[in-house]
Amino acid sequence: EDQVTQSPEALRLQEGESSSLNCSYTVSGLRGLFWYRQDPGKGPEFLFTLYSAGEEKEKERLKATLTKKESFLHITAPKPEDSATYLCAVQEAGGSYIPTFGRGTSLIVHP
Amino acid sequence: EADIYQTPRYLVIGTGKKITLECSQTMGHDKMYWYQQDPGMELHLIHYSYGVNSTEKGDLSSESTVSRIRTEHFPLTLESARPSHTSQYLCASQNGQGVGEDTQYFGPGTRLTVL
Repeated sequence: EDQVTQSPEALRLQEGESSSLNCSYTVSGLRGLFWYRQDPGKGPEFLFTLYSAGEEKEKERLKATLTKKESFLHITAPKPEDSATYLCAVQEAGGSYIPTFGRGTSLIVHP
Repeated sequence: EADIYQTPRYLVIGTGKKITLECSQTMGHDKMYWYQQDPGMELHLIHYSYGVNSTEKGDLSSESTVSRIRTEHFPLTLESARPSHTSQYLCASQNGQGVGEDTQYFGPGTRLTVL
């Protein structure tokens, strides 16, 4: 059973068309939830860490939010350079330090 | 900004060769990890270390080995490379000293092709 599920698997947007990516998780207690951006052939680049429900973080056109069961990565007025795969990872409270990764959402923003 | 390095970035070798993928970090992090990732697929943990002289195998069965003799260095070795080892290998490090210090930072990756 997957602990971290990301949806949709792929998303195509027009430049300026805002949308949201979802990460749902099923751990019994959350220590931290992480969002990464990964460009083809490169390592994941850290974006945000969220620790408790209600927490929000922003960076340029991206805003991450967290509830007790899921996190959203909101992309406002995306640009073609926002095209990448966005990964979500969850670290369980009381467990090891090793996060569980989702399969990612592949985002393509057309000009 | 994370300072974690991997070499080589790209490697094409023949079957049966012994190879070592290098990973170094300058942040003084105790925890380091190796992941394998195929195109469009999730990250699979193959080895990790919580400090010097500490190494553990991850979830993915692997024919590789690792060592951790120095805090900053965590090399991955394949004794006899096979075409099934063709993949992207990602190294990560983590402070892990408490809340707010749990983020994993990744290197740029090594793209390995075994012919």
